[in-house]
Amino acid sequence: EMQLVESGGGLVLPGGSLRLSCTASGFRFSSFAMNWVRQAPGKGLEWVAVMSASGSSTYYADSVKGRATISRDNSRNTLYLQMDSLRPEDSARYYCVKGGWEVLTWFGPWGQGTLVAVSS
Amino acid sequence: DIVMTQSPDSLAVSLGERATINCRSSQSVLLSPHNRNYVAWYQQKSGQPPKLLIYWASTRESGVSDRFNGSGSGTDFFLTISSLQAEDVAVYFCQQYFTTPLTFGGGTKVEIK
Repeated sequence: EMQLVESGGGLVLPGGSLRLSCTASGFRFSSFAMNWVRQAPGKGLEWVAVMSASGSSTYYADSVKGRATISRDNSRNTLYLQMDSLRPEDSARYYCVKGGWEVLTWFGPWGQGTLVAVSS
Repeated sequence: DIVMTQSPDSLAVSLGERATINCRSSQSVLLSPHNRNYVAWYQQKSGQPPKLLIYWASTRESGVSDRFNGSGSGTDFFLTISSLQAEDVAVYFCQQYFTTPLTFGGGTKVEIK
């Protein structure tokens, strides 16, 4: 069974940083693009970033460009999201989501998410 | 950016009746040589992460009930639940993966009338 488990969320001050992690199991992690998608409480879904299977290509939403860095360690089956200069509007549940063989694909499965709260 | 607009925002349907959700993209998400529409649909139940239902606009994900059907092409897409069951109460999202940024519709909340 494919599984994604996120960690690293928490309460952080505006301007602070956070590193989210996602550990994958049940599939060949190194063969698939991986994404971060976030959802503010009671709101819709916002795609944040994607990294290709090899790690050679990355794309970001404009809302996080320059402040977020997606990375992966295929030897550890782990995806990361480094978020810097955090703003209150970054508060959301962050989901790690498996993509397809290419960057432009549908999402699934999704992890349970990790909650990030940016507040003073 | 491609904007995905869903309608209605919410929908109340009697058990056993049909529910239809519309999703319109601000530009075509059809890749002509392959005749494929880059649209997916997700179901999110309360307190859970989204679950993939449909991709390529009409291909049902493995294990998804055949009550769920996707249709449409170009810029106009539909998700139909043929006979609403209690377990279908959820918020449904469409998504385009034609180009980055990957974008979602605002969601449609489906409830029992």
